[in-house]
Amino acid sequence: GIQVEQSPPDLILQEGANSTLRCNFSDSVNNLQWFHQNPWGQLINLFYIPSGTKQNGRLSATTVATERYSLLYISSSQTTDSGVYFCAVTSGYALNFGKGTSLLVTP
Amino acid sequence: GAGVSQSPSNKVTEKGKDVELRCDPISGHTALYWYRQSLGQGLEFLIYFQGNSAPDKSGLPSDRFSAERTGGSVSTLTIQRTQQEDSAVYLCASSFMGGAQETQYFGPGTRLLVL
Repeated sequence: GIQVEQSPPDLILQEGANSTLRCNFSDSVNNLQWFHQNPWGQLINLFYIPSGTKQNGRLSATTVATERYSLLYISSSQTTDSGVYFCAVTSGYALNFGKGTSLLVTP
Repeated sequence: GAGVSQSPSNKVTEKGKDVELRCDPISGHTALYWYRQSLGQGLEFLIYFQGNSAPDKSGLPSDRFSAERTGGSVSTLTIQRTQQEDSAVYLCASSFMGGAQETQYFGPGTRLLVL
């Protein structure tokens, strides 16, 4: 299957700081999703972004499909942004997940 | 319903017992997926349904695992003779048509602990 690598594995931020999370993948994809897993374990959809750039409030994402990477930007972070961020890709239907970036935002 | 629902939320069972996990997809979604999240393996795909048929069962870890879907809606994942390594969070997702270029929406998961 397609290999997905996320970096950094862990990140600690002070409230108000900005951050960039990266997702590299090993093959062409036609589906890339970013998720936030909250402390209760729920996977919350952030973006469906196989290519291009999208923005939703303080979050934005960019995928450069030809170079096989995607970036998730979090601006003005809040404590509620804490959790694990997953990138998942597929060229078929089964999503291949990275190991995630664990984010802790401190007050 | 408004989102994917799963039951039970938590399940504790003894080694060797059978368990059934249920998933109710978003109304109108024809595609349904099961994934598993465990500490050692991360998030991994188990099985995919298009309508009531499962064209891909390749992710099921052993023949103790089976799944069915009836009426193109609710799905049940059954684990027979549970083992401690089956302890994990079992996640269900659904999408509208099952095409690759679709958003998959996840339920809250069932946390299974095998003692």
